[in-house]
Amino acid sequence: NAGVTQTPKFQVLKTGQSMTLQCAQDMNHNSMYWYRQDPGMGLRLIYYSASEGTTDKGEVPNGYNVSRLNKREFSLRLESAAPSQTSVYFCASSEGGGGKPEAFFGQGTRLTVV
Amino acid sequence: AQTVTQSQPEMSVQEAETVTLSCTYDTSENNYYLFWYKQPPSRQMILVIRQEAYKQQNATENRFSVNFQKAAKSFSLKISDSQLGDTAMYFCAFMTGYSTLTFGKGTMLLVSP
Repeated sequence: NAGVTQTPKFQVLKTGQSMTLQCAQDMNHNSMYWYRQDPGMGLRLIYYSASEGTTDKGEVPNGYNVSRLNKREFSLRLESAAPSQTSVYFCASSEGGGGKPEAFFGQGTRLTVV
Repeated sequence: AQTVTQSQPEMSVQEAETVTLSCTYDTSENNYYLFWYKQPPSRQMILVIRQEAYKQQNATENRFSVNFQKAAKSFSLKISDSQLGDTAMYFCAFMTGYSTLTFGKGTMLLVSP
């Protein structure tokens, strides 16, 4: 039972480079999320997708784009990485639509922008 | 907007003792859910316990229990018989039925022998 799978687990980028973080879930969940975790800040929502075909901005969306490719997959793209985007990124999913509220998380991606 | 406040950045406890982590939240909603997540050094986010606001009974999961005070908007986590494996960052989180999870900033718990 894989749950939520994120790739890659670690990444180092140079300022200005682009990359896409991949996320897939096998629980048939409607809702998917991208969070970033910074020391002393908790987890902050970047973008979320309440259902296939919809995406919405969260608390800290600047510098990021997302794609809900299908019900299983939700990717996060950094078009031009900046040192301020150095963080740990988590993908999560939940049933959504008033179903069970628990969110299930991937193992995180540690991204360093130099 | 909902906010979640964890006022204890760090806590420490000795093995076998009991510790309580505090959490307060602010919302105008009446129906919502509250969670405690644990993040050990492995970085994995693990759901510890969940509380539905409409339930008056406090949730318990083995050594973990909550003290849910709806009127005071307080949701504390009690860990009994602390174990070394409980060492982790603990996050309090809140959501309504159709909203996203809002997290507190976390409490680092260190359990010492």
